[in-house]
Amino acid sequence: GNSVTQMEGPVTLSEEAFLTINCTYTATGYPSLFWYVQYPGEGLQLLLKATKADDKGSNKGFEATYRKETTSFHLEKGSVQVSDSAVYFCALSDGSNYKLTFGKGTLLTVNP
Amino acid sequence: GAVVSQHPSWVICKSGTSVKIECRSLDFQATTMFWYRQFPKQSLMLMATSNEGSKATYEQGVEKDKFLINHASLTLSTLTVTSAHPEDSSFYICSARDSPAVTFGSGTRLTVV
Repeated sequence: GNSVTQMEGPVTLSEEAFLTINCTYTATGYPSLFWYVQYPGEGLQLLLKATKADDKGSNKGFEATYRKETTSFHLEKGSVQVSDSAVYFCALSDGSNYKLTFGKGTLLTVNP
Repeated sequence: GAVVSQHPSWVICKSGTSVKIECRSLDFQATTMFWYRQFPKQSLMLMATSNEGSKATYEQGVEKDKFLINHASLTLSTLTVTSAHPEDSSFYICSARDSPAVTFGSGTRLTVV
């Protein structure tokens, strides 16, 4: 079956530091890949997505590239802000784009 | 943008009682909604797909009689945890299909004592 593995947290960074959160997946076929973010007390929000190999999703300074050869979709940001503190979930969908398989989530804390 | 309201955000109940969680799409109609469950330090696991006007589709290993899902209107799906036990304590979150996207609610923290 499908699975998503993302790096264990928590991750603590200083403001303006570089962020990488690793995500790898196992799936049949050609899944769509997503990063969701959950701010404290809120629901999950779609951060970015990629639907085919070599696609790069980007939003709010975050980027992730769909790497089929390494089955990875690592999240990166060049300079994090305190407001980026949240839990980040990597996820995949192998069909409808509505049923999602999630990673465990990574808590990011950015200190001023 | 699309908003999904989930209520309550947290609930504490006694063992053996039932708890109902509501998931509402506020500004769009959702023929399909999804219910997920998350244990501490674990992934969100899909429990069931809720379809308006028909029976829910449950994932393997999820007890249908334990987790009752009703999707009686295009804007409301409910999850009822029946005869709750401490092992049902978890974080439950819904999402609604708002083509081509999915919008999530803010989740419900259930604690059974």
